[in-house]
Amino acid sequence: ETGVTQTPRHLVMGMTNKKSLKCEQHLGHNAMYWYKQSAKKPLELMFVYNFKEQTENNSVPSRFSPECPNSSHLFLHLHTLQPEDSALYLCASSQAGTESEKLFFGSGTQLSVL
Amino acid sequence: QKEVEQNSGPLSVPEGAIASLNCTYSDRGSQSFFWYRQYSGKSPELIMSIYSNGDKEDGRFTAQLNKASQYVSLLIRDSQPSDSATYLCAVGRGGSYIPTFGRGTSLIVHP
Repeated sequence: ETGVTQTPRHLVMGMTNKKSLKCEQHLGHNAMYWYKQSAKKPLELMFVYNFKEQTENNSVPSRFSPECPNSSHLFLHLHTLQPEDSALYLCASSQAGTESEKLFFGSGTQLSVL
Repeated sequence: QKEVEQNSGPLSVPEGAIASLNCTYSDRGSQSFFWYRQYSGKSPELIMSIYSNGDKEDGRFTAQLNKASQYVSLLIRDSQPSDSATYLCAVGRGGSYIPTFGRGTSLIVHP
């Protein structure tokens, strides 16, 4: 497995469910990101982890809870979501330093909240 | 508020033509500029980066940067139907800053 892998690819959940999105990067990077992509909107940065430490939380509602157990794995725990949270959730990684702005994205999880 | 503006399109060009995609940004401290390509239902993929004023060429792609005008563009020569995608412009400040993305421009190359 190479690059950045995300599971599941598709997720349908009710507003009372709890689910988790998983991301794993095989690039040896030390920074990982969660982005939200909604139709007709720019990519929205949600969370950033550098060396497993959260360095950015872009005013994301608490119903989204990230977890980064090591520099290769990133999770996004979801609970009591709203229909407006339906979107494509993208994980990305980069190498801190001069190349840190070059992001490598996973294939994303298309989330539908009913 | 850092902003990156792109025309959402769609930009429609015939096969073999030059496609010109434009992006403007508001932060004068920006130092690094990126173009990502995103096919429908897929994730963004980095295709070009540029850091200095002028042109940078990579195959059929040319990125152009004008910091004085706060403008960056992507030219695709000899456009192919396989180039049909959304092109995202991203602008950063260098170092460990997170780049800001535009909404993307949809490009359609018709045979």
